[in-house]
Amino acid sequence: SQTIHQWPATLVQPVGSPLSLECTVEGTSNPNLYWYRQAAGRGLQLLFYSVGIGQISSEVPQNLSASRPQDRQFILSSKKLLLSDSGFYLCAVAGGYNEQFFGPGTRLTVL
Amino acid sequence: ILNVEQSPQSLHVQEGDSTNFTCSFPSSNFYALHWYRWETAKSPEALFVMTLNGDEKKKGRISATLNTKEGYSYLYIKGSQPEDSATYLCAFIRIYNQGGKLIFGQGTELSVKP
Repeated sequence: SQTIHQWPATLVQPVGSPLSLECTVEGTSNPNLYWYRQAAGRGLQLLFYSVGIGQISSEVPQNLSASRPQDRQFILSSKKLLLSDSGFYLCAVAGGYNEQFFGPGTRLTVL
Repeated sequence: ILNVEQSPQSLHVQEGDSTNFTCSFPSSNFYALHWYRWETAKSPEALFVMTLNGDEKKKGRISATLNTKEGYSYLYIKGSQPEDSATYLCAFIRIYNQGGKLIFGQGTELSVKP
């Protein structure tokens, strides 16, 4: 079975600063990978997904970008954080029937 | 635009009560319907992956049914316990779906008082 690692677990950043969140997956190869965000008081929103190295699809226009430099590495980035980027960020890998296996998440607070 | 609706948004019950939630989804191009349980400060975990019309699945005191023709799924919890307190999410997946994207509902937040 796969294991999903995310770091950091928590992050407090000032507005305008850059961001890099990392997700790595073990126990599987060529997985479909996903970045989700839960903003305060809201549901789970899909931000990006990737079906392979260098292949990124963005779901919503936003201040963030994603990259997949290796098969089992998925990175979420921003050049300049906004207050509205605060939230709980989850990385996920797809299993059978696209069942999502989620990582432990990163709690981001932008001040 | 594909919408997945969950009701109610929140639910407060007493320990021992049985309860149920609804998930509505588009009835066309169905591939799968998932239920997830999301406890505070943890990550969502899959409860059920449902793929066939008429599916009924059970895990302990929790069960779910699926009607793909009319586009709804019910989640039932029998004899709720405080440890059942969580947000319950459903997610719909269309067939011919590039990237295997899930469309999540907003969730039902369940609070079980002892």
